[in-house]
Amino acid sequence: EVQLLESGGGLVQPGGSLRLSCAASGFSFSTYDMSWVRQAPGKGLEWVSVISGTGSSRYDADAVKGRFTISRDNSKNTLYLQMNSLRLEDTAVYFCGKTAPYSSGWYVSYWGQGTLVTVSS
Amino acid sequence: QSALTQPPSVSGSPGQSVTISCTGTSSDVGYYNRVSWYQQPPGTAPKLMIYEVTNRPSGVPDRFSGSKSGNTASLTISGLQAEDEADYYCSSYTSSTTLVFGGGTKLTVL
Repeated sequence: EVQLLESGGGLVQPGGSLRLSCAASGFSFSTYDMSWVRQAPGKGLEWVSVISGTGSSRYDADAVKGRFTISRDNSKNTLYLQMNSLRLEDTAVYFCGKTAPYSSGWYVSYWGQGTLVTVSS
Repeated sequence: QSALTQPPSVSGSPGQSVTISCTGTSSDVGYYNRVSWYQQPPGTAPKLMIYEVTNRPSGVPDRFSGSKSGNTASLTISGLQAEDEADYYCSSYTSSTTLVFGGGTKLTVL
């Protein structure tokens, strides 16, 4: 059974940093792309970043480019999102997801339950 | 990258069919057959319902079907059931090597 468990969310001041983690199990982690998708309170889904199975390719949404960094440790079956220079508008639930390759459109076949990041002074 | 356009809400009675549209551009929905659909009941994580325009993951009822014409993709739910009440989102890969979601559609089962 595929399981994805996010952690690391919390309250942070504007300009601060936070690192999210996503522990994966139930599938061959290193052979799958992985994504972060966020959802602001009461709003829709917004794609954040995707990383290839080896970690050699990464793509980011314009809204987070230069501030957020997606990475992975395949020896630990864990996905990360380093978030720097956080803004009020980054407040959201952050979901990690097991992702199909770009040739299939990066659809997310399994989602974690999400972790809440609140940026506030 | 602008969000794909979905109607804010749709509704239908049990047993009826409803269709949710998802309009993009020739750089996303119209360019590739890489559109997916997700269901999100309140307070839960999204669930994949359709991928690559028309394909259903195992376990998704065949009441759910997807299609595409030009720059518009559609999700049709036939034989509507109370448990189908949820928010639905479309998503598409883009020519800019990004992913874009629709704004979401709230389905109400009357």
